[in-house]
Amino acid sequence: EIVLTQSPGTLSLSPGERATLSCRASQRVGSIFLSWYQQKPGQAPRLLIYGASNRATGVPDRFSGSGFGTDFTLTITRVEPEDSAVYYCLQYGSSAPWTFGQGTKVEMK
Amino acid sequence: EVQLVESGGGLVKPGGSLRLSCTASGFTFSNYRMNWARQAPGKGLEWLAAISGSGSSVYYGKSVKGRVTISRDNAANSLYLQMNSLTVEDTALYYCARLQSGQDENGMDVWGQGTPVTVSS
Repeated sequence: EIVLTQSPGTLSLSPGERATLSCRASQRVGSIFLSWYQQKPGQAPRLLIYGASNRATGVPDRFSGSGFGTDFTLTITRVEPEDSAVYYCLQYGSSAPWTFGQGTKVEMK
Repeated sequence: EVQLVESGGGLVKPGGSLRLSCTASGFTFSNYRMNWARQAPGKGLEWLAAISGSGSSVYYGKSVKGRVTISRDNAANSLYLQMNSLTVEDTALYYCARLQSGQDENGMDVWGQGTPVTVSS
């Protein structure tokens, strides 16, 4: 089973700052299999990024994804108050089981 | 409108069983692999199971393998999760989610709002 480790656990930022969230895999993950999700309190997860770097429909361009192999990154270029949420990465590779990271919480200072 | 609606959650005693349902609308259900995931109170997301569009292939996570069965009825646009031998560790909000259908698209792009399951004596 591939283990995804996200860091940091919590990110405290002021509006306008840059957020960099990391997702590290215990073994290589093909880029097409890595996606990112945003979850706000009381809501279902929302797909932000698929294929490591492709924004889902309606996702603002301040969100971007990058990486390959075992290291992937979600970047929010200028954080807005509405971006307060927990962010998860998911690897949905060529064979099960598929796994989520434990999440990174982004909060506003 | 593309939508997934879960149902069937509730309070069940340890050792009991429950069958969750997920009804899809607004898209051609049989074209999509479908998934179940859960989230224990205050915890992160856990992928549980998946089923191919035709229903011929199923996949399970380690924590539930042997205790749950995923199935679907494409004529009824419905997905199911039969859960047996439930323990308190199965207490969670259970989501169904659609996997993108593109060749190199492997994100879960549509989620339901979840159905809560509480396992308690």
